[in-house]
Amino acid sequence: GAGVSQSPSNKVTEKGKDVELRCDPISGHTALYWYRQSLGQGLEFLIYFQGNSAPDKSGLPSDRFSAERTGGSVSTLTIQRTQQEDSAVYLCASSPQGAADTQYFGPGTRLTVL
Amino acid sequence: AQSVTQPDIHITVSEGASLELRCNYSYGATPYLFWYVQSPGQGLQLLLKYFSGDTLVQGIKGFEAEFKRSQSSFNLRKPSVHWSDAAEYFCAVDSGGSNYKLTFGKGTLLTVNP
Repeated sequence: GAGVSQSPSNKVTEKGKDVELRCDPISGHTALYWYRQSLGQGLEFLIYFQGNSAPDKSGLPSDRFSAERTGGSVSTLTIQRTQQEDSAVYLCASSPQGAADTQYFGPGTRLTVL
Repeated sequence: AQSVTQPDIHITVSEGASLELRCNYSYGATPYLFWYVQSPGQGLQLLLKYFSGDTLVQGIKGFEAEFKRSQSSFNLRKPSVHWSDAAEYFCAVDSGGSNYKLTFGKGTLLTVNP
């Protein structure tokens, strides 16, 4: 079946611009996660959505980062006023139920901030 | 807070040789443990996971891992490496319950020589 998809695959933007990254989880998966992978920090958790519950935003590095999940499916990660340190690969994952479940990852969006 | 250590940043082996990638975790209770593989330009793929029960778990592509509580380790092994195994390998911990975030190690890059 179809896996997690993310778009765009690559995004180059100028410092100060806003960007939106999209994630389509596996159909039927109730949990959705965003991670960031950068050279200096490795893989870091950003945010977690589970069904209709309030998302866990504890991993978001600043208030420039936000995410939403519409209709319990597609999610958008928005970064406002991008900075060069935001350059990284942003990975989305989904899992059938959430806690302690296997997470299935998308191919990621590589963000480059010039 | 939980942490994951992968002591080896880069390992080189010859094709056909055996492989062991090390992973140590820091957590008070028995966590849920995962090994993921990331090929160049690809997303993370789950190799295997340990939740409970038999401490030797089998995964895909001929990989296995052994959970050793006394050593807080979850090392990944393969008896005979193939050139296609060249990739980056990540160990991850999910402490379960309401703490669903994966904490990743920094990764081990595997190079396979012909």
